[in-house]
Amino acid sequence: AQSVTQLGSHVSVSEGALVLLRCNYSSSVPPYLFWYVQYPNQGLQLLLKYTTGATLVKGINGFEAEFKKSETSFHLTKPSAHMSDAAEYFCAVIKNTGNQFYFGTGTSLTVIP
Amino acid sequence: EPEVTQTPSHQVTQMGQEVILRCVPISNHLYFYWYRQILGQKVEFLVSFYNNEISEKSEIFDDQFSVERPDGSNFTLKIRSTKLEDSAMYFCASSRTGHTGELFFGEGSRLTVL
Repeated sequence: AQSVTQLGSHVSVSEGALVLLRCNYSSSVPPYLFWYVQYPNQGLQLLLKYTTGATLVKGINGFEAEFKKSETSFHLTKPSAHMSDAAEYFCAVIKNTGNQFYFGTGTSLTVIP
Repeated sequence: EPEVTQTPSHQVTQMGQEVILRCVPISNHLYFYWYRQILGQKVEFLVSFYNNEISEKSEIFDDQFSVERPDGSNFTLKIRSTKLEDSAMYFCASSRTGHTGELFFGEGSRLTVL
């Protein structure tokens, strides 16, 4: 079975500080991994994804994530937080033979000026 | 930029009533999905739809739920007899290539069952 755990339902960082949002997954087969962002009153928008190839993937708005198979992790980072990064972030996994995304419970990011 | 649109944005209904949530996926997409998010909980998969039939469904998607693509553009989710626990935000999503591609989500339909 596939599942996703996001550590920390709320994360606060100062503007300009490093953003680190944690995601660990469990999967019985090699997974595809995704980070989605949800701004207030909007739908989910893809930030980045890992399917195959390079384990460090870069996404929109300066975010990146690294797939670490040994740690079953796919943490999301951004070197310098911006006020506009305040949103809800969801990690998701799908097995590479399936069609069903499994989402984590989400992490709410607050950026303090 | 093409987007997934959902209507209504918010619906309030009495327990036991039927509800239909509507979605217009992106026009060249082939895979369609419904997800729901109960307040404060994770986004949960309900059903995926491809080639005019359900391809996968979760255990949440019981006989009270049905999906339809009636006219080649709309994709609807029907809840036959709503329960209090059906109160949630329902997201429609579409994808051109299925699981290897990006899911494009609508803004959601908030359903409140009284």
